[in-house]
Amino acid sequence: AQRVTQPEKLLSVFKGAPVELKCNYSYSGSPELFWYVQYSRQRLQLLLRHISRESIKGFTADLNKGETSFHLKKPFAQEEDSAMYYCALSSYNTDKLIFGTGTRLQVFP
Amino acid sequence: GAGVSQSPSNKVTEKGKDVELRCDPISGHTALYWYRQSLGQGLEFLIYFQGNSAPDKSGLPSDRFSAERTGGSVSTLTIQRTQQEDSAVYLCASSLVSGSSDTQYFGPGTRLTVL
Repeated sequence: AQRVTQPEKLLSVFKGAPVELKCNYSYSGSPELFWYVQYSRQRLQLLLRHISRESIKGFTADLNKGETSFHLKKPFAQEEDSAMYYCALSSYNTDKLIFGTGTRLQVFP
Repeated sequence: GAGVSQSPSNKVTEKGKDVELRCDPISGHTALYWYRQSLGQGLEFLIYFQGNSAPDKSGLPSDRFSAERTGGSVSTLTIQRTQQEDSAVYLCASSLVSGSSDTQYFGPGTRLTVL
């Protein structure tokens, strides 16, 4: 079965510290992986996808097929990064997104 | 242009009543999705539309849930005989075309509370 696991419900760091939000998935084929973010009182929005191989707001994520992981990383966290982060999976034959339960990132000044 | 809009933003209803939730996708988007965000459950897929047809209804939790889309635009999610476990935020998303590579844009959600 397709599943996305985000083991941490809450991650708290101080400004300037490195951040890594963990995401593991199970899928038998070739999935597409995404990170979505929801800032306070804003709607859910796409942060980045593995296929784009881009860095958004200083965040990067590398798809590791061997470890079935897609961890989100940022070397120096900022207060404005505080938000709820969701890892999601899709595939070529499935238009729906399968989400993890989310990780709340708190960045303290 | 405007993003995905949903109405109402909040809905409080009594157990056993029927509710209708509305989604207006971004103009020109052919694909439309409904998700549910429950406390502690994350986001779960409910149903997907391509045009007016629904190729994937696999996420609808029971036959009390139904959805339709007319004119390839507005969609309505109907919950009959609501139960307390239906309380959640219902999110709608749309994308230009179907397919996993296309970005889904989300609406603000409808918060449903069943008393």
